Amino acid sequence: AQKVTQAQTEISVVEKEDVTLDCVYETRDTTYYLFWYKQPPSGELVFLIRRNSFDEQNEISGRYSWNFQKSTSSFNFTITASQVVDSAVYFCALSEVGVSWGKLQFGAGTQVVVTP
Amino acid sequence: EAGVAQSPRYKIIEKRQSVAFWCNPISGHATLYWYQQILGQGPKLLIQFQNNGVVDDSQLPKDRFSAERLKGVDSTLKIQPAKLEDSAVYLCASSLETSGYNEQFFGPGTRLTVL
Repeated sequence: AQKVTQAQTEISVVEKEDVTLDCVYETRDTTYYLFWYKQPPSGELVFLIRRNSFDEQNEISGRYSWNFQKSTSSFNFTITASQVVDSAVYFCALSEVGVSWGKLQFGAGTQVVVTP
Repeated sequence: EAGVAQSPRYKIIEKRQSVAFWCNPISGHATLYWYQQILGQGPKLLIQFQNNGVVDDSQLPKDRFSAERLKGVDSTLKIQPAKLEDSAVYLCASSLETSGYNEQFFGPGTRLTVL
């Protein structure tokens, strides 16, 4: 069964628009971590943000912000005032303590296209 | 700080041939991962090492894939014999230790095409 679902396959926006990426996860563990990674055309996955299951406080880091809601098992990610350099595939990932600790389970990814 | 190094970057082989990929993790990182990323999908963990011991290889097709991490540093992933469905990008990642908290640092990947 898919542990992490990213329903949006592709999102296209014009520069300076906000982009929100959806992520829904499934776990029976009470301790887990959620991540967002970015994969630009070069192919190298880049870590963006991390959240643990005990901290639902939503935060903002620069142009990135996230909304973690355990009640709906969602971990959405927003890029504010998008730029062309934000064009990439974004992956949501889950790490569960009950499964191989440290193993990342990725969603299928959302392609973000930002045009000037 | 040098990142995760992988080689080769690209490889084209015919089915039933063998191929090997090499990974050098970030210095001091105890945990090393190999992921397979098929086009249009998220990466899938193949094998996870803690130093030179295997932590998880439950999704490694052991009839054709093998991996080792001698001396707990570099690692090689081998496919023998390759099948068409092995065409993918093979990503190596490392982290300080085996922990759900630690972020993983990824290499540029090796793009394998099996004809």
